[in-house]
Amino acid sequence: VIWMTQSPSLLSASTGDRVTISCRMSQGISSYLAWYQQKPGKAPELLIYAASTLQSGVPSRFSGSGSGTDFTLTISCLQSEDFATYYCQQYYSFPPSFGQGTKVEIK
Amino acid sequence: QVQLVQSGAEVKKPGSSVKVSCKASGGTFSSYAISWVRQAPGQGLEWMGGIIPIFGTANYAQKFQGRVTITADESTSTAYMELSSLRSEDTAVYYCARDPWDCSGGSCWRHFDYWGQGTLVTVSS
Repeated sequence: VIWMTQSPSLLSASTGDRVTISCRMSQGISSYLAWYQQKPGKAPELLIYAASTLQSGVPSRFSGSGSGTDFTLTISCLQSEDFATYYCQQYYSFPPSFGQGTKVEIK
Repeated sequence: QVQLVQSGAEVKKPGSSVKVSCKASGGTFSSYAISWVRQAPGQGLEWMGGIIPIFGTANYAQKFQGRVTITADESTSTAYMELSSLRSEDTAVYYCARDPWDCSGGSCWRHFDYWGQGTLVTVSS
């Protein structure tokens, strides 16, 4: 079982800010990592897969980096529609698993 | 345009079973896996299991082994998730999600590119 530590759990930011969310693995997972955005009452939406590949239709202000055990999701210029909860997900080992989530709230 | 449409909300008694459906459209159903992910109120996401229709076999997270059954009907492009012996802790929103599986590296499971709208299952006496 791979343990995932996502941080911070809560992030207060303002529109226009650059924000970063971290996801750390208990063992290396190469680049088998995805990031999702979830808004209240809605299904998650895929932002990034393979650690750094932007899903079609996702704004370029979202980017992912990292490999092995340490990964980062960056939002370069926070927009009002980006206030949501973000999850990382590993798919290197079975079963696929998610981080605990990071809620990005308005400061 | 890919769409996954799930069946409606359910209210169940403890000890009973629930079966949720997920009908896919806009893609080649048998080319993708379908996973089921649940989210308890105010909590995070939890992978329950999935099926690769072209193989016809399902894999389950150990936590749900013996209580969950995932099937797929290629003729109707519909996947199903049945959870038995329900308890109050199973109250959650259940999502189906499409997975472009690939067994070339890591596990065969990948990321989830399309999701159903979610089905709320409430377990209450």
